[in-house]
Amino acid sequence: EPEVTQTPSHQVTQMGQEVILRCVPISNHLYFYWYRQILGQKVEFLVSFYNNEISEKSEIFDDQFSVERPDGSNFTLKIRSTKLEDSAMYFCASSEGSALRYTFGSGTRLTVV
Amino acid sequence: DQQVKQNSPSLSVQEGRISILNCDYTNSMFDYFLWYKKYPAEGPTFLISISSIKDKNEDGRFTVFLNKSAKHLSLHIVPSQPGDSAVYFCAAGYGQNFVFGPGTRLSVLP
Repeated sequence: EPEVTQTPSHQVTQMGQEVILRCVPISNHLYFYWYRQILGQKVEFLVSFYNNEISEKSEIFDDQFSVERPDGSNFTLKIRSTKLEDSAMYFCASSEGSALRYTFGSGTRLTVV
Repeated sequence: DQQVKQNSPSLSVQEGRISILNCDYTNSMFDYFLWYKKYPAEGPTFLISISSIKDKNEDGRFTVFLNKSAKHLSLHIVPSQPGDSAVYFCAAGYGQNFVFGPGTRLSVLP
């Protein structure tokens, strides 16, 4: 069964550094998403991406965050100047259409120290 | 402001019995609802969905019921199996993004 692949599985970074989380969505999917889950808290929507542009974003997704689909296969989340509170599991997801059945990756655990 | 609530943080059920997980939402614009299962260190896995035009959807051991007037949905698992032990997230939304509930941890005891 096709999978959404996320790398790395765990990233440790110093506060103030930039990180890039990478995702390879399912090849025929057109909609891409980033979610995060702070330890012990609920899964939160960050951003959705379609047709090479952001279609929706949450209040969490401020100027510190950006997304890109640089080469037609990867979908990246960049976090500039990381803060301690950015520590969380970050999940990438993709869907074939607006049918809204997402396939999630296994996540990247980001630890900001 | 919790738009999607799962008021039971945990639930324990004996193997073979029925598991009922509940979810309430507040936004009347939500028209599509999903249940996801999540094991530790893995991403959520899609289980079953229902649109607002239906009140029941069934897939094997999993059935989702939607009560639009009460803004309530539930997931029934019959019979429950030890492998069903996981955190279950309800998600509700419209358009392209969803709000997830906080999750209910289901433990199925052998």
